[in-house]
Amino acid sequence: DAGVTQSPTHLIKTRGQHVTLRCSPISGHKSVSWYQQVLGQGPQFIFQYYEKEERGRGNFPDRFSARQFPNYSSELNVNALLLGDSALYLCASSQRAYPYNEQFFGPGTRLTVL
Amino acid sequence: QQQVKQSPQSLIVQKGGIPIINCAYENTAFDYFPWYQQFPGKGPALLIAIRPDVSEKKEGRFTISFNKSAKQFSLHIMDSQPGDSATYFCAASRSNDYKLSFGAGTTVTVRA
Repeated sequence: DAGVTQSPTHLIKTRGQHVTLRCSPISGHKSVSWYQQVLGQGPQFIFQYYEKEERGRGNFPDRFSARQFPNYSSELNVNALLLGDSALYLCASSQRAYPYNEQFFGPGTRLTVL
Repeated sequence: QQQVKQSPQSLIVQKGGIPIINCAYENTAFDYFPWYQQFPGKGPALLIAIRPDVSEKKEGRFTISFNKSAKQFSLHIMDSQPGDSATYFCAASRSNDYKLSFGAGTTVTVRA
């Protein structure tokens, strides 16, 4: 069975640019969450989408946005990139929004902002 | 504000040893506590999870101990192997919530 897939694997951008990251959940999963993992730290919650609606947002600026498509895949967009946005961006899928939200993570997209 | 505090930051054990990772939380509304294992270049993988109605859960060589009154939980890796060398994250969430709050991670090195 295919797990969560993310693209691209690596990405290098410069400050001020825009980036779009993509995620395909496990088949049958309707919930997608996005996390940011800075080197040496645990993942930090950015967004959750369930049935194409935003269900939750973490403490991130409005430069971060996301959406979920009818096939449950998702995109994370980041505008006006800052050096501090350099991180591993993880997508996680689950069958439902909650309860006991068992989430399965993809391999992540490594974003480097120069 | 980190809602889950994890320690130690790193530890080294010999093969067959028992690394122990500890986590503490403040939010008494948390009622789901998963542990994730992450290898370099990979995303975190769910290892084992516990809910506060039990004090201990075992899956293979991995054991979670949970102390509700102290608001602490820990992961024990029995008979550790070099292949267990990875970063381990504890996390917590509420059953009616959608996000996981992660600890900072513990890098475990098991020497042959």
